[in-house]
Amino acid sequence: GENVEQHPSTLSVQEGDSAVIKCTYSDSASNYFPWYKQELGKGPQLIIDIRSNVGEKKDQRIAVTLNKTAKHFSLHITETQPEDSAVYFCAARRLNFGNEKLTFGTGTRLTIIP
Amino acid sequence: GAVVSQHPSWVICKSGTSVKIECRSLDFQATTMFWYRQFPKQSLMLMATSNEGSKATYEQGVEKDKFLINHASLTLSTLTVTSAHPEDSSFYICSAREDLVLNSPLHFGNGTRLTVT
Repeated sequence: GENVEQHPSTLSVQEGDSAVIKCTYSDSASNYFPWYKQELGKGPQLIIDIRSNVGEKKDQRIAVTLNKTAKHFSLHITETQPEDSAVYFCAARRLNFGNEKLTFGTGTRLTIIP
Repeated sequence: GAVVSQHPSWVICKSGTSVKIECRSLDFQATTMFWYRQFPKQSLMLMATSNEGSKATYEQGVEKDKFLINHASLTLSTLTVTSAHPEDSSFYICSAREDLVLNSPLHFGNGTRLTVT
């Protein structure tokens, strides 16, 4: 099955600086890679996703890059703000395979220092 | 946007009792819903896949008789923790995909914190 590794487990960044979180996956057939943000006591919220037919996707201050050959993908948050503080999870899945399950990374606790 | 509502948000129960958690897709149909468990400072672990009108599919190591899942309609799945014990205390989160959206992303509820005393 799929195995997703995520680094770092914790990350502290000065407000205004950029944050980068990296994930690697094992199943070369995985073709869908979402990122979720989880605030304390809440469920995960999808913030951005990318499919394997593109190498980069951007949404305002958030971007995701994908390297299919190396089987890794990264989340980039620019101009960080205190409200970006949360736990971030990457995940991987094979689309178009029925209800193939989503495999999550181990999470990164991001703290933005005012 | 697609909203998944989970109820209750927290529950405290005594050891040996059963607890039911509801998961509703508010503005979309979901033939399939997923139940996750999350321990403090850990990732989400899939417990089971809930299928409307048929039996749930459980992940390896998850006791189906302890975690009863019922998916009676296209918008509602329930998870019942039977004969709960303190080790069942955890954060339970459901999620769902939209039936009518090709390759729909997974939408999550806000979770239920279960504490068994």
